[in-house]
Amino acid sequence: QKEVEQDPGPLSVPEGAIVSLNCTYSNSAFQYFMWYRQYSRKGPELLMYTYSSGNKEDGRFTAQVDKSSKYISLFIRDSQPSDSATYLCAISKGMNRDDKIIFGKGTRLHILP
Amino acid sequence: DTAVSQTPKYLVTQMGNDKSIKCEQNLGHDTMYWYKQDSKKFLKIMFSYNNKELIINETVPNRFSPKSPDKAHLNLHINSLELGDSAVYFCASSQDSGKLFFGSGTQLSVL
Repeated sequence: QKEVEQDPGPLSVPEGAIVSLNCTYSNSAFQYFMWYRQYSRKGPELLMYTYSSGNKEDGRFTAQVDKSSKYISLFIRDSQPSDSATYLCAISKGMNRDDKIIFGKGTRLHILP
Repeated sequence: DTAVSQTPKYLVTQMGNDKSIKCEQNLGHDTMYWYKQDSKKFLKIMFSYNNKELIINETVPNRFSPKSPDKAHLNLHINSLELGDSAVYFCASSQDSGKLFFGSGTQLSVL
């Protein structure tokens, strides 16, 4: 079983819709959860960063972590065509310099104008 | 000013050649990384350096050799290139683990 699983999509939704992106992970030792956004031919950029369970909101973006289910989500409200990108979840066990960040395969999102 | 810059952006070469990719960061971060992203967009860590010291060395063929002359630079040298090395290679840096700043990638095509 892979350490983190993510549906690659593509996911197409109309502009203005609420988008839900999800990942599952296998090891309860993971404590840090991140979402990165990657535009075509660009490097990933950090979108959201959370520690342990709970919700974190930043503008139209909400990251949610359910450690009991080993499930992480990213919600995008009022989606815009500029949100079209690949979204990668990422997990880590700790903040020590030898702790690896493990990425999901990414979900390709298309927001249709 | 580009925070993490890597060169070249594109690299097309023949099998068996040796090539290098350079990376520089001006963020003052202590840790730098090399990641490989394959054709299916799977992003996997290869190496990390903290202040010129090798910290993470994943199961990567020893044809790949990272070199960090100082904490702002991390280069990747690849010997005897193979078809399977074709991918996008990303350099990244961080001060707090998890908050990675990526370069724009080097698309390597081995023919």
